Order: sequence, then structure tokens, then C-alpha cells
Amino acid sequence: NAGVMQNPRHLVRRRGQEARLRCSPMKGHSHVYWYRQLPEEGLKFMVYLQKENIIDESGMPKERFSAEFPKEGPSILRIQQVVRGDSAAYFCASSPPSGGTYNEQFFGPGTRLTVL
Amino acid sequence: KQEVTQIPAALSVPEGENLVLNCSFTDSAIYNLQWFRQDPGKGLTSLLLIQSSQREQTSGRLNASLDKSSGRSTLYIAASQPGDSATYLCAASGANNLFFGTGTRLTVIP
Repeated sequence: NAGVMQNPRHLVRRRGQEARLRCSPMKGHSHVYWYRQLPEEGLKFMVYLQKENIIDESGMPKERFSAEFPKEGPSILRIQQVVRGDSAAYFCASSPPSGGTYNEQFFGPGTRLTVL
Repeated sequence: KQEVTQIPAALSVPEGENLVLNCSFTDSAIYNLQWFRQDPGKGLTSLLLIQSSQREQTSGRLNASLDKSSGRSTLYIAASQPGDSATYLCAASGANNLFFGTGTRLTVIP
């Protein structure tokens, strides 16, 4: 029973390039969350998605960042025109449909983005 | 807005000691409280989840308690081992996301 999968594990981009981070939730999970961990800081919520819907994007920067969770395939966090301040670890989590253990989240190994 | 604080920020103990990590949160309207472990450069491993209606959860040498009214949770680790060295994070659950503390970095000295 595979856990949450993220790829790539490490990503290096130059300023101005685009970064695409992928997340495959655990089997049977329909909710996906993205968090960012800046160096020496705690994890901060970015966005919460269900299949084909963005439920809560209150933590997303207003510009350059977008997320999707299509009907088929992984969730994608996209960062356009990256800047050095985007360098961080990006974690994806998933949870089962509501009910049972409400909102228990299971985390992937993260993608470490380095912007040169 | 929920604020989660963890004290101490770092802790060193000799092997075999029992220890307590503290977590406080400002908004008592939480769905649950999760404790995670994070090893350097790695992801998060869920240790314990306490539902808002519960007072504590136990798993092996770990025991977590929750007092919603005072906005506090503790993680108790019994008979610490060098393999317990890691950063421990607590997270309070809102409706759509988790609010994380900045963690306690634990070092268990052999």
C-alpha cells in the first residue's frame, strides 16, 4: 500500500524558469494539501484541493503559484518565473474522504526546490 | 488565526531519560491534534493523532495528551533512545488544513 508519492524529490531551477511539482495521493484518498517549509521555518499551508476543485487556496501567494488536481493523474503545484525566495521544501499530504478520522493527513517525502 | 507554539525549541537528553515536549495553540476550536516526527532532509512521519473529543493517545513509548480548554498538548517519550533524535512537530487541525508549530529538535545522547 504505497504512501503519498512526490516527484521529483529534488529540483533545481534558475531564476525565471518554471517549476512543476507532482503529488500522487494515497490510494483511496481524494483530498490533497500542499505545504511549504522555508529554511528554518515551520510548515505553512498553501492550498487544499479535491478532484477538479480548489477548496481553499488562502495560503497561496497571489502571483506565480497555481495548483490543480485533475480527474486523472497527480496533483500539480506550478510555480512560474521562480525567484530565490521560492527555494524551500514543498510537501504534499492526502486524506481520505470526510468521515471516520476527520482530516488526518498523511505526508509525502517532499520536493526540495533550489532556485539558483 | 491559529497560532501554534512549541517549547523548547531544542532539547538534549541522555539515553534512557523520559521527556516531555510541549505544544500550545491559541484557538481551541480544533478538529484534532497531530504529532509528527521529521528527520533532517526528510518528510513527516505521523506519530499520534488525538481527536478533539479525546484526552490522550498512546503508541508504544509515546503518549500524547490534549487539553483543548487550555490550548495545550504534550508528547511524552519514555525511555528515550538515540534513534528518537529528530524534530518533533505538532499540528492543530482546522477545517481545511493543519497549523504547524516550528518544532522541537530532540537529541538523545548515547
